[in-house]
Amino acid sequence: EAGVTQFPSHSVIEKGQTVTLRCDPISGHDNLYWYRRVMGKEIKFLLHFVKESKQDESGMPNNRFLAERTGGTYSTLKVQPAELEDSGVYFCASSYGQGGSYGYTFGSGTRLTVV
Amino acid sequence: AQSVAQPEDQVNVAEGNPLTVKCTYSVSGNPYLFWYVQYPNRGLQFLLKYITGDNLVKGSYGFEAEFNKSQTSFHLKKPSALVSDSALYFCAVRDTGFQKLVFGTGTRLLVSP
Repeated sequence: EAGVTQFPSHSVIEKGQTVTLRCDPISGHDNLYWYRRVMGKEIKFLLHFVKESKQDESGMPNNRFLAERTGGTYSTLKVQPAELEDSGVYFCASSYGQGGSYGYTFGSGTRLTVV
Repeated sequence: AQSVAQPEDQVNVAEGNPLTVKCTYSVSGNPYLFWYVQYPNRGLQFLLKYITGDNLVKGSYGFEAEFNKSQTSFHLKKPSALVSDSALYFCAVRDTGFQKLVFGTGTRLLVSP
């Protein structure tokens, strides 16, 4: 079974530019999550999709962040325009079923550096 | 609101010695608890979880964790540490209202030869 795939693995962009991160969940996992870890801090939740619908977007920091999951398959997270404080590692996870009883599988993350 | 505390930024242990990485949590209702590990330049890998049942949970790579409801703790343990266990360990609890995970700040484990 293929795992959760994220790309790019690294991205370095200048302040004010746009970056789009992509996540391909495990096939059959309706639940898809985005998280972010800023250097040295905890991993923080950004949002949760169930299929193509946003179930919970309470962690999205501001309107510069836009997440989509068209067709309920892969998801993209766009940051526009990027700011220095957006630097960090962005993780995607997927799960099968309700409530995480089957666990959550994470991708390798995208390390975003805004300079 | 749910929260997780990992009181140690770093744990140092000699190879072959037992290790413990501490985690305490705060949650309303019954907790779903998880441990993940991040090796250098890798993603988060699942180690083990507690949903219900036995308080001692066994996971990957010889790790285990003990759920203690009275102390609201879920410490990660291994009887004999390996140098290859050196990594960043995260404890997490599932939010009772939603499905998202709430993570601790992580503990770096350094196992010396």
